[in-house]
Amino acid sequence: AQSVSQHNHHVILSEAASLELGCNYSYGGTVNLFWYVQYPGQHLQLLLKYFSGDPLVKGIKGFEAEFIKSKFSFNLRKPSVQWSDTAEYFCAVINQAGTALIFGKGTTLSVSS
Amino acid sequence: GAVVSQHPSRVICKSGTSVKIECRSLDFQATTMFWYRQFPKKSLMLMATSNEGSKATYEQGVEKDKFLINHASLTLSTLTVTSAHPEDSSFYICSARGSKNIQYFGAGTRLSVL
Repeated sequence: AQSVSQHNHHVILSEAASLELGCNYSYGGTVNLFWYVQYPGQHLQLLLKYFSGDPLVKGIKGFEAEFIKSKFSFNLRKPSVQWSDTAEYFCAVINQAGTALIFGKGTTLSVSS
Repeated sequence: GAVVSQHPSRVICKSGTSVKIECRSLDFQATTMFWYRQFPKKSLMLMATSNEGSKATYEQGVEKDKFLINHASLTLSTLTVTSAHPEDSSFYICSARGSKNIQYFGAGTRLSVL
């Protein structure tokens, strides 16, 4: 079955530090990949997505992610985090049937000011 | 952007009662909506896929008689937790699929069964 793995359960950073959150997926075919963010008390929001083309995708709020097919990875990055980036981050992939999202377990990011 | 409204945000009920949760796409039509359950420190678990005008598709292990889903219009899907028990206490989240296969999420419903 398809799966998504997020390596980091909880990441703690100081403001201005660089961020990289790991995400690996299991399916080897054509993939549609997403990063969602859930700020405290808010609903899930789309950060960025990859369908095809340039493997380096840019999202909102300065986030970017790189699709590396050979590594089955779609890591999320941000050069300099802010306190307001404190949130839960979820990596997701569309299932093989193209009908539903499969989520990773999420990574909690805590940024101290 | 696309907005999905979920209601209520929080509900507390007695064991044995039924609870209905609504999910509405406010500014777009969604032929497909999804219902998830989120456990503490866990990812979102897909419960079922709701298709307008047809029966919902339930994931393995999800009791369809327990979690009734109705998707009567292009903007509304409802999840009814029937005869709720304490083990049904959880955070339930809906999403609606928009263009380009992007899902837009509701704010979730915290269900507490006493």
